Amino acid sequence: GEDVEQSLFLSVREGDSSVINCTYTDSSSTYLYWYKQEPGAGLQLLTYIFSNMDMKQDQRLTVLLNKKDKHLSLRIADTQTGDSAIYFCAESILTGGGNKLTFGTGTQLKVEL
Amino acid sequence: NAGVTQTPKFQVLKTGQSMTLQCAQDMNHNSMYWYRQDPGMGLRLIYYSASEGTTDKGEVPNGYNVSRLNKREFSLRLESAAPSQTSVYFCASIPRDRLSTDTQYFGPGTRLTVL
Repeated sequence: GEDVEQSLFLSVREGDSSVINCTYTDSSSTYLYWYKQEPGAGLQLLTYIFSNMDMKQDQRLTVLLNKKDKHLSLRIADTQTGDSAIYFCAESILTGGGNKLTFGTGTQLKVEL
Repeated sequence: NAGVTQTPKFQVLKTGQSMTLQCAQDMNHNSMYWYRQDPGMGLRLIYYSASEGTTDKGEVPNGYNVSRLNKREFSLRLESAAPSQTSVYFCASIPRDRLSTDTQYFGPGTRLTVL
């Protein structure tokens, strides 16, 4: 089965780098995603990585994928107060019924001045 | 191009009442999803639909039914609401590939309280 785990909280100082970690269990994942949720809002796709890639960089965001350990991380460089939000990782698995997405519990990132 | 729309945004029900949450997408995606979000539990998949005419159970389907009316619309029905169904419900429409961070794949959510 599939199970996606994240730590619940992370606190960093403004200007530092943030690293949010995620582990998943299903090795047949095709895509892995990072979503951001601000208070009272829906989820916004931040970035994603195909399962045959090791790394993807997009401006301040770096995604690292270790398929052997089933570990995904999101690094945010130069973290700003506007980055304070809940971050969800998710995996996509192709099943007989289609494309099934499973989300982690979310990591609350707090950026302090 | 509105992305994903959900109605209503807020709803209060009494135990035993029924209601239908509506979701529509204008992105011509095949796959649509219903999730519930509860504090400390992330998003849990209730039902999903890989294409028009097909639906499959997710992690927490009990107490819910769904209908994929056409390619655009995917509704979630609570036949007899219970307090345990108090939650925030999100509809999503996410393609298998060629995703864009400029696109809203999730609806704004429905905040449901069951008394």
